[in-house]
Amino acid sequence: AQTVTQSQPEMSVQEAETVTLSCTYDTSESDYYLFWYKQPPSRQMILVIRQEAYKQQNATENRFSVNFQKAAKSFSLKISDSQLGDAAMYFCAYVNSGGGADGLTFGKGTHLIIQP
Amino acid sequence: GAVVSQHPSRVICKSGTSVKIECRSLDFQATTMFWYRQFPKKSLMLMATSNEGSKATYEQGVEKDKFLINHASLTLSTLTVTSAHPEDSSFYICSARARLTGNTEAFFGQGTRLTVV
Repeated sequence: AQTVTQSQPEMSVQEAETVTLSCTYDTSESDYYLFWYKQPPSRQMILVIRQEAYKQQNATENRFSVNFQKAAKSFSLKISDSQLGDAAMYFCAYVNSGGGADGLTFGKGTHLIIQP
Repeated sequence: GAVVSQHPSRVICKSGTSVKIECRSLDFQATTMFWYRQFPKKSLMLMATSNEGSKATYEQGVEKDKFLINHASLTLSTLTVTSAHPEDSSFYICSARARLTGNTEAFFGQGTRLTVV
């Protein structure tokens, strides 16, 4: 079974600064997808960024980028120019590729606090 | 992005009664829908996977007789919590995966906060 570990229960960053959230995972599969989801107080799950394991290039979405290290099974999220609206729970998630029949495996989450 | 609508957003029920939660994909067909449970300040735990027209697959430790899942169409899945008890109080979230595209992105509903009194 796959596992996802987020070792930072809470992180705090000053507005406009950069913060990195850590995620490691364990799998015996070679082809899979990794995600970062944001869950604000409304509790709606919002996809932040996605990475296909077969792609060596790190995914980037505006101020959000990942550092994907496949051999180390590490998938960290960098948020640049942090904004107050970035405050939320952030979950790292994993799913096997192919078929689409598997649910996501989530980490325990990191609570991100943005200091004005 | 695709929209998944989940209703109700909040429900309070008496112990011993049943509650049904609906999950609809509004602008796409979902071959597979997933139901998660989230305890306060905790992560999402996959409860079951439902495929249209077939029986749901439950994760280990999830009581299939308590959490009835029906996926009668490509746009609707329901979760019924039967004979609810206070320990069933939780936040339930559904997600749906698009048909045909092979899209591995799962779109989430808004969630349902269930309180059993």
